[in-house]
Amino acid sequence: GAVVSQHPSRVICKSGTSVKIECRSLDFQATTMFWYRQFPKQSLMLMATSNEGSKATYEQGVEKDKFLINHASLTLSTLTVTSAHPEDSSFYICSASGGQVANEKLFFGSGTQLSVL
Amino acid sequence: DAKTTQPPSMDCAEGRAANLPCNHSTISGNEYVYWYRQIHSQGPQYIIHGLKNNETNEMASLIITEDRKSSTLILPHATLRDTAVYYCIVRVAQSNTGKLIFGQGTTLQVKP
Repeated sequence: GAVVSQHPSRVICKSGTSVKIECRSLDFQATTMFWYRQFPKQSLMLMATSNEGSKATYEQGVEKDKFLINHASLTLSTLTVTSAHPEDSSFYICSASGGQVANEKLFFGSGTQLSVL
Repeated sequence: DAKTTQPPSMDCAEGRAANLPCNHSTISGNEYVYWYRQIHSQGPQYIIHGLKNNETNEMASLIITEDRKSSTLILPHATLRDTAVYYCIVRVAQSNTGKLIFGQGTTLQVKP
């Protein structure tokens, strides 16, 4: 099946710094990528949808200036958490869509655990 | 908002079939039913999906009622490794960039 690679798997940073998370589609071209956040013992919450070459669409309540998304190529999308604070500590997960068929399977990355000190 | 309803938790004995129900009474004609599972601290894993016919693959079977308002995921011989949170999701099929909106899922505990 299609593989989505996410990096890093875990990151610890100081409050006020920025952190970049990468999401790559390894064996297909991802026209669309989705970014999710998950707090402990909660479900995944969709943050934003990014389409290659255009601006991301953010879900209600998600600060676009805080969570910068770049989808500059068909195999790479990045999520940058700017000026991170302890409340941004969470599990971040990406998913990629090739967009070739309407009922395709969506595959997910393995997630990034962000801890802000 | 999630358009599915699942029981919060279920237990299953190892080696027995696990039947996980899902209600999606407001499903539209062009929406597929997807099942994913998430093992602790990992990304969701695709299991199976279907539109209206029953589906089977190497992992599981998906039974969709004729009116499509509910479905059941069947793990035929549950193992301890099947302990996970199982998510039932409906997704717009016409848009090939349709997003997956997760509900709370069912925590399946497989016991020895």
